[in-house]
Amino acid sequence: DADVTQTPRNRITKTGKRIMLECSQTKGHDRMYWYRQDPGLGLRLIYYSFDVKDINKGEISDGYSVSRQAQAKFSLSLESAIPNQTALYFCATQDGLSNQPQHFGDGTRLSIL
Amino acid sequence: AQSVTQLGSHVSVSEGALVLLRCNYSSSVPPYLFWYVQYPNQGLQLLLKYTTGATLVKGINGFEAEFKKSETSFHLTKPSAHMSDAAEYFCAVSAGGYQKVTFGIGTKLQVIP
Repeated sequence: DADVTQTPRNRITKTGKRIMLECSQTKGHDRMYWYRQDPGLGLRLIYYSFDVKDINKGEISDGYSVSRQAQAKFSLSLESAIPNQTALYFCATQDGLSNQPQHFGDGTRLSIL
Repeated sequence: AQSVTQLGSHVSVSEGALVLLRCNYSSSVPPYLFWYVQYPNQGLQLLLKYTTGATLVKGINGFEAEFKKSETSFHLTKPSAHMSDAAEYFCAVSAGGYQKVTFGIGTKLQVIP
């Protein structure tokens, strides 16, 4: 089983719909992250959480919200999806030290029509 | 503040040729530096990292990188490219502590038979 699992892997939906992307991990890491990847723009940070009671905005948090339900679960919501939120979304975890690497899920490909 | 610049969004090399992917960083404190690789339809995987100590870092799949403080660089090299090296490569920097990681925009490596 994967250490970092994202569901769904693919999703097509319509403008205005509410969408939730889920991430669960078995690594026991405190830190979790949500990124989006767009061609030519690399990875951009949406939200991050250093523990269950800690939620922080990243560089592109507008239009998104998150919930850290447990140490192992971190979900990303799009309250009212718009076409420019079409992207590849990644969840990542990290041990509680910044000199440690991040561990990524396989991503969710989201298309908003 | 910290930042990463990857020179060349696309790099092509012949099979067997030297691979050189360039990364320059900016950080106000001694950085932690990472290279990740992303294969199609997958998340990012750690290739190697520099935290402290030896400036020449060896990673998986024959890759290595050298931390050069005077040049603020952390270029990734491999002596002989294989077809299986075709992927996208990301350089990343962290200032440590509670600082998050900043990723470069990525370099797509094409290996020509």
